[in-house]
Amino acid sequence: GAGVSQSPRYKVAKRGQDVALRCDPISGHVSLFWYQQALGQGPEFLTYFQNEAQLDKSGLPSDRFFAERPEGSVSTLKIQRTQQEDSAVYLCASSSGQGKFFGPGTRLTVL
Amino acid sequence: QKEVEQDPGPLSVPEGAIVSLNCTYSNSAFQYFMWYRQYSRKGPELLMYTYSSGNKEDGRFTAQVDKSSKYISLFIRDSQPSDSATYLCACQGGKLIFGQGTELSVKP
Repeated sequence: GAGVSQSPRYKVAKRGQDVALRCDPISGHVSLFWYQQALGQGPEFLTYFQNEAQLDKSGLPSDRFFAERPEGSVSTLKIQRTQQEDSAVYLCASSSGQGKFFGPGTRLTVL
Repeated sequence: QKEVEQDPGPLSVPEGAIVSLNCTYSNSAFQYFMWYRQYSRKGPELLMYTYSSGNKEDGRFTAQVDKSSKYISLFIRDSQPSDSATYLCACQGGKLIFGQGTELSVKP
């Protein structure tokens, strides 16, 4: 496809469950970003990859959050032992320059 | 205090009106300034991108940056119902920092 795709689009998890969110960036984009967007707020930075290297993970809220991009293309954001405060839309973006192109997001609801 | 402040609205205008959306920021290191549009249940879409101070025009959209007052604006001329969305300002020095977003509704 031409844009950034994310799956699943919606995820409902019970508190304590582990979840994995997938991002397929635009082909050839070196940079990949994950953001968390709470209801009524702007996206907040979580982590950044350049190819397979995770260069900045300062935005990850706790050690329950883990992201990887092993082959420099698809990325997975994993959240262990989900909590209610993890409920948000998780956005992935890719970039080949300054402009970032966002996917549609995964809406995570933790019950 | 957030690094980028934006009035969340909501803002409602009649079709054809000129819309003015604004943000302030606190970090002098920001060099790049963007406006994103986000429709409901969609990801943000880049509308305008400006480096440093000045104006940039693209069709009905004009972005302004005033680094001396740390103020950025987006103007929409001849607003259309299809412009109804949330508009997010964003500033970048290293990381991209977003404002809260302003919800805009253009009534036919």
